[in-house]
Amino acid sequence: GQNIDQPTEMTATEGAIVQINCTYQTSGFNGLFWYQQHAAEAPTFLSYNVLDGLEEKGRFSSFLSRSKGYSYLLLKELQMKDSASYLCAVRDSNYQLIWGAGTKLIIKP
Amino acid sequence: GAVVSQHPSRVICKSGTSVKIECRSLDFQATTMFWYRQFPKQSLMLMATSNEGSKATYEQGVEKDKFLINHASLTLSTLTVTSAHPEDSSFYICSARDRLAGGRETQYFGPGTRLLVL
Repeated sequence: GQNIDQPTEMTATEGAIVQINCTYQTSGFNGLFWYQQHAAEAPTFLSYNVLDGLEEKGRFSSFLSRSKGYSYLLLKELQMKDSASYLCAVRDSNYQLIWGAGTKLIIKP
Repeated sequence: GAVVSQHPSRVICKSGTSVKIECRSLDFQATTMFWYRQFPKQSLMLMATSNEGSKATYEQGVEKDKFLINHASLTLSTLTVTSAHPEDSSFYICSARDRLAGGRETQYFGPGTRLLVL
């Protein structure tokens, strides 16, 4: 079956760095996405990886290793507004998005 | 980035009534739109995939006669919850795929519709 694993919850301190991991097992691979979702809101797109390596976008970076079925989202200089759920999703061979359950990130002052 | 609108943002209805939710891509054409529902503290659950001009493809366990989807144009898809019941209360989110975005195409999400059935 298809499976996306990410931690349920993480806690970090304002100004620090946090890494949210995602491992996947899917039928085919056509890219991995990270989305941010604040409570009671729809997800917003953060990053897209289809080749191995690191994609940097401001305070957020996303890394992919296809051979390991592994990705992480790195958030630097954490701000209180970064408190949200972070969803990892993989696009499979049918171009369907398979969603992880999300990681709730709690930022403490 | 691309903008997807959804209307209404919130609706409260009586049990047994039908509710229509609209999803529009405002600045791009979307050959494919997706409908999700999300229960509190749970991840997104894909309900159906809607392709312009053809019938929607429903995920297993989703009743197509209860959740009617129409994708009449490249910028509009509608989801109608027929004979709604309290267990249908949920957060419904649509997303649209930009057909011209090429290999890096991304799904853009609407703001969601919160449905409460009394």
